[in-house]
Amino acid sequence: QSALTQPASVSGSPGQSITISCTGTSSDVGNYNLVSWYQQHPGKAPKFIIYQGTKRPSGVSDRFSGSRSGNTASLTISGLQAEDEADYYCCSYAGSRHWLFGGGTKVTVL
Amino acid sequence: EVLLLDSGGGLVQPGGSLRLSCAASGLTFRSHVMAWIRQAPGRGLEWLSSISESGENTYYADSVKGRFSISRDNSKNTVYLQMNSLSAEDTATYYCAKEVKDPSKMTLGFDPWGQGTPVTVSS
Repeated sequence: QSALTQPASVSGSPGQSITISCTGTSSDVGNYNLVSWYQQHPGKAPKFIIYQGTKRPSGVSDRFSGSRSGNTASLTISGLQAEDEADYYCCSYAGSRHWLFGGGTKVTVL
Repeated sequence: EVLLLDSGGGLVQPGGSLRLSCAASGLTFRSHVMAWIRQAPGRGLEWLSSISESGENTYYADSVKGRFSISRDNSKNTVYLQMNSLSAEDTATYYCAKEVKDPSKMTLGFDPWGQGTPVTVSS
């Protein structure tokens, strides 16, 4: 099982919206509605920000939204803010109690 | 507030062993599935292993199966990762995390995470 594919970097200006893609296969992203997303600031542990592709845990800003189509999931950050500058990782259930993460996307706020 | 405190990392020689610990507080530990996830320097996250609430069932990524062993002590609110036959490729920061479940017991993700404990495999 290979890691999910994410772009290495995405950038945007404050106030803009950006979207990060996460591409898997029909054995993981395309087969289970169990994609989650994590935000990681430098030197910190990852933070859980999206689950089941589109849902936000309590306390997570509504500027973060998710979607899924076929074998690709996406995370959109609206109204980009300086504090959103971080690495973002997708994760999908891959069957047999196994989980796959993406390689991560560095978000830069210009 | 749920807190997870990872410990036990350090420098180990190739072929060596190390046991990581993760002490949990702020939750009914015995009611939660726990996992270990690692992050190699400058790289992405990699799920390694999960253990059921009672410890009866364990699951491993192919990359560590047969070398790593997950266990838990519910009386001490602690989950462990025993790592054997370590190589340079195992150099990473290791995080423990709690699996988030929905009412049907489906895992939705991992939250919270410990602060991570670094492991360096080098001679």
